[in-house]
Amino acid sequence: ETGVTQSPTHLIKTRGQQVTLRCSSQSGHNTVSWYQQALGQGPQFIFQYYREEENGRGNFPPRFSGLQFPNYSSELNVNALELDDSALYLCASSPRGTGELFFGEGSRLTVL
Amino acid sequence: ILNVEQSPQSLHVQEGDSTNFTCSFPSSNFYALHWYRWETAKSPEALFVMTLNGDEKKKGRISATLNTKEGYSYLYIKGSQPEDSATYLCAFIMNTGNQFYFGTGTSLTVIP
Repeated sequence: ETGVTQSPTHLIKTRGQQVTLRCSSQSGHNTVSWYQQALGQGPQFIFQYYREEENGRGNFPPRFSGLQFPNYSSELNVNALELDDSALYLCASSPRGTGELFFGEGSRLTVL
Repeated sequence: ILNVEQSPQSLHVQEGDSTNFTCSFPSSNFYALHWYRWETAKSPEALFVMTLNGDEKKKGRISATLNTKEGYSYLYIKGSQPEDSATYLCAFIMNTGNQFYFGTGTSLTVIP
């Protein structure tokens, strides 16, 4: 059974650029959630995708967008990057919306 | 703003000591409470999923209790070992959606 994998693991961008983060969900899981963990904070919910549709969104602006593909993998896109977007981005898959989360190791984004 | 608070923020214990920490959450609209363990350079892993008031769960030397009426959960580690060193996160899920609200975590260091 393959776990949740995320790419890239680290990346550096400059303010105003755009970034795409990728996540492969665990086999058999049709739900993917994205979280942002800024320094000193707990993970903050960005959004959840279920069967290719957005199924809940946290308090993040529209420049944070996502996709889920037919194989249940997912992308997080962030446009017009700001310095405060520097954080660890965690992807988690689950067999259902409120079930146990299976996390990837995260993508660490630094915005200069 | 929904607050999930964890205390203490960090603690250091000697190998063999028992320890416990707290997760506080709103006492209304409860659906579930999750505990996750997050070791450095790894991904968070689920310890417990708790849904009923009075729930007690156990996994080896680690156990957890839940009080939904007063809005708290305790995590206990008996006879701490160095491999227990990690950050322990709790996440509260409301019955009105699928968003996980994470605390900022308790960082545990077990000194050999």
